[in-house]
Amino acid sequence: EDQVTQSPEALRLQEGESSSLNCSYTVSGLRGLFWYRQDPGKGPEFLFTLYSAGEEKEKERLKATLTKKESFLHITAPKPEDSATYLCAVQAGTGANSKLTFGKGITLSVRP
Amino acid sequence: DTGVSQNPRHKITKRGQNVTFRCDPISEHNRLYWYRQTLGQGPEFLTYFQNEAQLEKSRLLSDRFSAERPKGSFSTLEIQRTEQGDSAMYLCASSLGAPPNTGELFFGEGSRLTVL
Repeated sequence: EDQVTQSPEALRLQEGESSSLNCSYTVSGLRGLFWYRQDPGKGPEFLFTLYSAGEEKEKERLKATLTKKESFLHITAPKPEDSATYLCAVQAGTGANSKLTFGKGITLSVRP
Repeated sequence: DTGVSQNPRHKITKRGQNVTFRCDPISEHNRLYWYRQTLGQGPEFLTYFQNEAQLEKSRLLSDRFSAERPKGSFSTLEIQRTEQGDSAMYLCASSLGAPPNTGELFFGEGSRLTVL
């Protein structure tokens, strides 16, 4: 069974204090690893897709990286508006399988 | 707004009643998904459609749950004889479905169910 573990569960940063969020996974045949942002009371918002080890994607203050066992979401000089829950998800298997398996998420709070 | 639309946003019901949620996906998206999310957890997959065909169902989806997508457009998720354990946020998402982008889901804001 596919498993996704995110750590830490919660992270509090001062504005401008860079850090990284971790997502470790155990799957059979990774097809893609995804990062989503979720604000309270809202649905998740897509951030990145990573397909193979060594791949990196960037968007504003966020940078996602992927190895064969884990992914990191690096946040550089965060701002209070980056406060949200960050979800990691994997898509695995073959054929028509479209199911995403999500981790529990990391709640990030950035203090001004 | 051309995003994924879900109705109702909130539903409070008594145990044993039936409830139905509706999802209108992004118009050009042929894949539609239902997920369930409880407090402090990530979304859990329930089922997905490609056009009008329901292609996959989770073991989480008991016989009390049924989903339809007539004509490959909007979808409904019905829960019969609700139980308190059904209380959750029900999320709908859609995607274009063309590999390798099948995982880039666009989510609606969810329908929150509270069963008393």
